[in-house]
Amino acid sequence: QVQVVQSGAEVKKPGASVRVSCQASGYTFTSYYIHWVRQAPGQGLQWMGIINPSGGNTNYAQDLQGRVTMTRDTSTSTVYMELSSLTSEDTAVYYCARVVNSWFDTWGQGTLVTVSS
Amino acid sequence: QSALTQPASVSGSPGQSITISCTGTSSDVGSYNLVSWYQQNPGKAPKLMIYEVSKRPSGVSNRFSGSKSGNTASLTIAGLQAEDEADYYCCSSAGSSTFVFGGGTKLTVL
Repeated sequence: QVQVVQSGAEVKKPGASVRVSCQASGYTFTSYYIHWVRQAPGQGLQWMGIINPSGGNTNYAQDLQGRVTMTRDTSTSTVYMELSSLTSEDTAVYYCARVVNSWFDTWGQGTLVTVSS
Repeated sequence: QSALTQPASVSGSPGQSITISCTGTSSDVGSYNLVSWYQQNPGKAPKLMIYEVSKRPSGVSNRFSGSKSGNTASLTIAGLQAEDEADYYCCSSAGSSTFVFGGGTKLTVL
């Protein structure tokens, strides 16, 4: 079945970077865009950006420009999201999701990233 | 982009109907019939409930319906059930492959 499976929880110090992976299966990896969404504790969903697994082109939310990088590895059907210069405000659950046209139909299980000194 | 505006909370009794609004701008909700709605239970990933304003994915109860007028989209849940208690988020395309979510609405079934 269609699924996207994310890497495990991370604990990082302020100023560090984190990389979260998202491995797709059950469908043609290059046929659907992958988006990243995060959710701070007790807060709502925040759209972070999109990557086209076919060409690798990306588009990021304005407030994360310069700190977020999304890449993909077509040989393993995996998308990566790297966030740099972490602060406590980046503590959140990070989700990847497959997008069909304009809706998020398949979500990963979420990856908790904790930023703490 | 600014988040879409949703009420923080709504409530209803079993069997009743409730509506959750989602207000954006002419740059997102008002420009595209690409509004979707997600249900999120505590500790779980969001689940798609409505896409393209009013379409239901296979497996989603027909008690859930969506609509849009101008810059405001709405999710209606008819015949409220205890299992509907969750957080609900709207989402809209904002052009150029960007998206924006609403702040979320906590639904309480009394």
